[in-house]
Amino acid sequence: AQSVAQPEDQVNVAEGNPLTVKCTYSVSGNPYLFWYVQYPNRGLQFLLKYITGDNLVKGSYGFEAEFNKSQTSFHLKKPSALVSDSALYFCAVRGYQTGANNLFFGTGTRLTVIP
Amino acid sequence: EAQVTQNPRYLITVTGKKLTVTCSQNMNHEYMSWYRQDPGLGLRQIYYSMNVEVTDKGDVPEGYKVSRKEKRNFPLILESPSPNQTSLYFCASSLRQGAPNEQYFGPGTRLTVT
Repeated sequence: AQSVAQPEDQVNVAEGNPLTVKCTYSVSGNPYLFWYVQYPNRGLQFLLKYITGDNLVKGSYGFEAEFNKSQTSFHLKKPSALVSDSALYFCAVRGYQTGANNLFFGTGTRLTVIP
Repeated sequence: EAQVTQNPRYLITVTGKKLTVTCSQNMNHEYMSWYRQDPGLGLRQIYYSMNVEVTDKGDVPEGYKVSRKEKRNFPLILESPSPNQTSLYFCASSLRQGAPNEQYFGPGTRLTVT
């Protein structure tokens, strides 16, 4: 069975400080991992993905994520938070061996960047 | 512009009145999917389609139907809506079935069933 855990419902960070949004996963075999962002009244937007190779993945808007196989984690990071980064963030996983493109999503983490 | 469109964006209806939410993508994507988003539960998959005339159940299919007669369209049908189907619905698509492509999401349909 595949699953994703986002242990924090809410993360608050001051503007200009580094931010981390945590994600751990469970999947059989090698994972494909994704981060999406949802702004108010909008659909989800793709930020970045890990397929294979370098454990540090860079994505849109200055975000990056680090894949850690031993800890089964894929935390989202940004060196300097902006107020405009305030949104709902979702981590998602798909098993490498899964036939369909089905993604399993975490419950989301609401990021608030305080001016 | 490459996009996934959904209609309507907002819908208030009554229990038992059949409704259809349309989804269309203009990117020639093979894979399409429907999700519902509920507070504290994240996104849960309702149905998905790996290509034309190929559909299958996701995690929460009860009370929903889908069809995929054309590659670009993937409508979601609620034959007899109930209040527990009040939710925010998203359609998504990705390029090729089997490849680790990201999914593109529509803007969402907020459904209220009274």
